[in-house]
Formats: sequence, C-alpha cells, structure tokens
Amino acid sequence: LAKTTQPISMDSYEGQEVNITCSHNNIATNDYITWYQQFPSQGPRFIIQGYKTKVTNEVASLFIPADRKSSTLSLPRVSLSDTAVYYCLVGDTGNTPLVFGKGTRLSVIA
Amino acid sequence: GAVVSQHPSRVICKSGTSVKIECRSLDFQATTMFWYRQFPKQSLMLMATSNEGSKATYEQGVEKDKFLINHASLTLSTLTVTSAHPEDSSFYICSAPRPDSGNTIYFGEGSWLTVV
Repeated sequence: LAKTTQPISMDSYEGQEVNITCSHNNIATNDYITWYQQFPSQGPRFIIQGYKTKVTNEVASLFIPADRKSSTLSLPRVSLSDTAVYYCLVGDTGNTPLVFGKGTRLSVIA
Repeated sequence: GAVVSQHPSRVICKSGTSVKIECRSLDFQATTMFWYRQFPKQSLMLMATSNEGSKATYEQGVEKDKFLINHASLTLSTLTVTSAHPEDSSFYICSAPRPDSGNTIYFGEGSWLTVV
C-alpha cells in the first residue's frame, strides 16, 4: 500500500506558483520525503528530498511541518514544460524500495 | 546527467520468446536495485528488489520464474522476461540508491516492451 495521498490532478496557468500537498500520516521517524517528476515514457526524475522544515533547490521548494504528517512541493513560476505527474514518496533508506501512490497530474495551461 | 541507465529503451519481441533488459548504475556501485512495471496511465508498481550476490526479493503476485532477475555485479542488474506474452507488454523501470547522495534513489529512463 502506498504511504502517501495526493490530489489526483491540478491545473495551473503559466507563470503561477504551484503547490502540491501530500499527506503521509503514518510517516516513520527514519523516513525521508522525496518528490519525483515523471513525463510520459520516461523514468521518474528526482526533484527534491527533505526530512523536516524547508528545503530549497534550483527547481523547487519543499515545506514540511513539524509533525511531518504532510509536505508541500512548491514549484515557482511554472511553464508548459512542467506538465507532468508528480509523486510524493516516503522511505527510510535507499535500500528500502519506494512504493508509489497515484501521483498528481499537473497540467500547465498557456 | 543520467546516473542510472537502462537498455534497450524499446524492444519488440514475439510471444513465447525471452527478452533481457539491463539496468546500470553509471558512476556508483549499487548493491541493491529495484524493478518496477508501469502500464499506461497508471503508477509504478514495484516488482522486485535485486540484490548483488544473492537472490532477488519478489513482490507478492510477481512470478519469479517468469521475471528472472540477476544482479551480477555492483553496477548491473538484468531483468529477463521469459516466455513473454502480450500481457507482459509494459514500461519497465529500474532504480538504485546512490550512496554519495544520501542514498537518494535514482531511476533509469525506462524500457518499453511490446510483445506481439
């Protein structure tokens, strides 16, 4: 069973900030939160990973509240090329396989 | 650039034949790799965990005699679909944790298998 719950789909206009929230109520102490992006016919691409508070890299920010039961991926100023499926996953170490939920299908509109 | 590579990216085979898909970690050693299958418009489904030097661990419902996994070296795992049937047609994706990035899991580009 997937450990996470996300909205099935979201729409956004180009240039807007998009926030995708993921629920992981049963996250374990050792679990990290990782987000991936997947385009059709491609493998998932790593976006960002965090344990608590806020993490930012060149493409996104990840906000994690103190209780860690949810997380929010923030994509600043999306473009058409950001149209993809975004997956939120939790797991403790690299030697534990990631179990995928249904992900969020983001559609960016011009 | 890619850190996990799969080959071939696309393959077509006849029913009843076997086909091998390779997964390589490009600049790191991976004692563990994971194999997934993804049908159109669906999420990734974990098939098995490939362990270097030992037997793979299969998820419930995945036939180990049909999906043979061999992790022969620290940079290569192979998935062989034996006696393929049209219902085995799918997108197969591998992944591996990268030790020097906190064991972040990276995925290959995926391999499309079409059985005719």
